[in-house]
Parts: sequence; C-alpha cells; structure tokens
Amino acid sequence: QKEVEQDPGPLSVPEGAIVSLNCTYSNSAFQYFMWYRQYSRKGPELLMYTYSSGNKEDGRFTAQVDKSSKYISLFIRDSQPSDSATYLCAMRANTGTASKLTFGTGTRLQVTL
Amino acid sequence: EAGVTQSPTHLIKTRGQQATLRCSPISGHTSVYWYQQALGLGLQFLLWYDEGEERNRGNFPPRFSGRQFPNYSSELNVNALELEDSALYLCASSTGRSGSKETQYFGPGTRLLVL
Repeated sequence: QKEVEQDPGPLSVPEGAIVSLNCTYSNSAFQYFMWYRQYSRKGPELLMYTYSSGNKEDGRFTAQVDKSSKYISLFIRDSQPSDSATYLCAMRANTGTASKLTFGTGTRLQVTL
Repeated sequence: EAGVTQSPTHLIKTRGQQATLRCSPISGHTSVYWYQQALGLGLQFLLWYDEGEERNRGNFPPRFSGRQFPNYSSELNVNALELEDSALYLCASSTGRSGSKETQYFGPGTRLLVL
C-alpha cells in the first residue's frame, strides 16, 4: 500500500464549477501538508501549505486537513480554464532527517469552457 | 528573485552511459532535493543535500549519486543508465530549517531519455 493515495483522474469540470481534490495517507507522522500545481512539462508550483489539522484559504483555493481521518482536500472555487493542470498533494514528517516530501501520484484536472 | 534553475532541460543518452544533471537553488537556500517523476509513478524522492552533506536517500540503487558544492548548487549523477531511468528529474530547494514552515520550491526539471 502506498503511503499517499490520490485519485489520478482525469477530472473534467465546466468553467465556474467547484472542484474537490483529495488525498488519503497512512503515515501518522506526517505533520505538514502541501498542494502543488504542475502544468504540462513544468516543475511543480507550491499552491497551499498547512500544518496539522484545520483549514486554510487563499483566494479561490481552500485546503483542509483532517488528521484523525488521515485525509486532506483542496477546493477550487469558480474554476477557470487556467486551472487545468495536475494537482499533487505532498506531505512530510516533523523530524530533521525526514524532510523529504512524499507525494501522491497527482490528479489531472481539465476545466472546460 | 531567481527561482531554482536546472540544466540541461533535455538529455538523451543510451543504455550504459552516464548522465549528469545540475541544479542551482534559490539564493539563501542551503538544502537541495532531487526527485524522479516517471510516467504514472508520481514524484519519488531521490536525495537530500544540506550544507554539503547527504542527509537522506530514497529507495534508489547506488548508481544514483550526487553531491552539493560550497555554493549550494548540486549535481545528480546516474551511472549505467537503464531504459527505466527515463523520467523528469526535478530539483527543489529550501532554507533547510526542518520542523519549521520549511517549504520546497521546484525547478523546471531535466527530462532524461534513455534509448
């Protein structure tokens, strides 16, 4: 079983829709949770960063972390065609030698006009 | 402020050859991470360097190695290339202060094709 599970999609939604992207994980040591956006043939770009459980909002993006369920989500409101990309969840533990990020496989999102 | 830079952007090699990939971190960042992104497998952690030392290593064979230079730039070497090494190799950098709000910023990657 992978440490981080993410539905690969593809997920296709019309412009203006609310998008929900999710990851589950098995390692209870994970404390820091991130969402990256990756456009085709580009490096991942950090979108959201959260520590432990709770919500964080940034413009049209909201990240949620539920550590009791080992479940994280990214919501995109009023989705735009420019949001079409692959979204990667990533997480890490809180110890020095564990600074590596563990990624989900990514969900490919297509926002159509 | 310049982001993480990587060179070359593309690299074509044949089986058995060696590949060298380079990364320059964001100014002020001392930690460099290498990841492999193969088709369908997501990003897999390869190596972490901080202050010139290897701090952690992913589940990859020893023919994947690297180093970090005094200016914090880094090199990834892949020896005895195999077809399965074809992937996008991503470098990321951070301030290296683990346990805090440390975040990793990625470069555009080097796409390696092994024929």
